[in-house]
Amino acid sequence: EPEVTQTPSHQVTQMGQEVILRCVPISNHLYFYWYRQILGQKVEFLVSFYNNEISEKSEIFDDQFSVERPDGSNFTLKIRSTKLEDSAMYFCATGQQETQYFGPGTRLLVL
Amino acid sequence: QKEVEQDPGPLSVPEGAIVSLNCTYSNSAFQYFMWYRQYSRKGPELLMYTYSSGNKEDGRFTAQVDKSSKYISLFIRDSQPSDSATYLCAMSADRDDKIIFGKGTRLHILP
Repeated sequence: EPEVTQTPSHQVTQMGQEVILRCVPISNHLYFYWYRQILGQKVEFLVSFYNNEISEKSEIFDDQFSVERPDGSNFTLKIRSTKLEDSAMYFCATGQQETQYFGPGTRLLVL
Repeated sequence: QKEVEQDPGPLSVPEGAIVSLNCTYSNSAFQYFMWYRQYSRKGPELLMYTYSSGNKEDGRFTAQVDKSSKYISLFIRDSQPSDSATYLCAMSADRDDKIIFGKGTRLHILP
């Protein structure tokens, strides 16, 4: 069964550093999303992406965040200057019409 | 009032029992309702998906949506220890829209 994959599975970085989280969507999916889950809290929407542009973004998704699909397959989330409060599990999700399928996540720890 | 409310549990039941999980919501624009299962430190796994009001059955799982009461439920029959996980209710207003999650209910099935 096709799956969403994410790399890396874990990332430790220093505050102020840039990180790039990568996702390989399910091949025929057209809609892409990033969510995050801070430890012990609910899964929160960050951004949705369709037809090579952002469809919607949340208040969390400020100027420090960006997304792109550089090569038509990978879907990336970049955090330009990480803060301590960016420590969380980041999930990529991809969808075709009504359902979204989640990847295993990248655990980001900002020190 | 929170957009989606879900009792975090934990809920412990003996193996073989029927489990009932539920959520309430406040946004009447929600049309698509999902249940995801999440194991510790893993991504959410889609279990059930329902559009609008009604029931949907898949094996041991039954999802119910009552839009008039803004109440959704997931029933698990003949529960197994492998069903032990966190169950997230989730919903969206449109087919490709962002998903709003409940906080999740931790379920333990006791052998």
